[in-house]
Amino acid sequence: EPEVTQTPSHQVTQMGQEVILRCVPISNHLYFYWYRQILGQKVEFLVSFYNNEISEKSEIFDDQFSVERPDGSNFTLKIRSTKLEDSAMYFCASRVRQGNQPQHFGDGTRLSIL
Amino acid sequence: SQQGEEDPQALSIQEGENATMNCSYKTSINNLQWYRQNSGRGLVHLILIRSNEREKHSGRLRVTLDTSKKSSSLLITASRAADTASYFCAPQSYNQGGKLIFGQGTELSVKP
Repeated sequence: EPEVTQTPSHQVTQMGQEVILRCVPISNHLYFYWYRQILGQKVEFLVSFYNNEISEKSEIFDDQFSVERPDGSNFTLKIRSTKLEDSAMYFCASRVRQGNQPQHFGDGTRLSIL
Repeated sequence: SQQGEEDPQALSIQEGENATMNCSYKTSINNLQWYRQNSGRGLVHLILIRSNEREKHSGRLRVTLDTSKKSSSLLITASRAADTASYFCAPQSYNQGGKLIFGQGTELSVKP
């Protein structure tokens, strides 16, 4: 069964550095999402992306964050200048189309900021 | 925003028993989805029930939806140790733009 893949599985970065988290959504899916989960807390929505543009973003998704779909397969989340509080699991998800369709999640990237 | 609240927060049962988790939400929905998260892993979609459906089955899972009470339940029958995970409901409205809002979930522990 097709799945969403995320790389790397674990990323350790110094505070202030830029980090790019990568995702390969399921190939025929059109809607893409990033979520994050700080240790012990809820999964939180960050951003949704459709037709090569952001369709919605949360308050967490400030100017330090950006997303891109650089080619037909990858979907990336960039954090420009990381802070300690960015340490979390970041999950990518995709959905085939609008309507009553589930989202399919990757296994996440654990981001640790030192 | 549309968020589900799961109840109980934690549930501990013996293998072979049934597990029931509940979800409540506040506004009208188009569908409600249930997800499972094993420790340290991503969320796995279990089942989606549309607002015009009252009950849905998938293997050992049974989901009910009562839109008049704005509530849903997830029943796992004949539980196994491998069912140990956190379970989340995600009510969805089309005007939400597709995002899912998760609550704290129900942490299920199935003891062998």
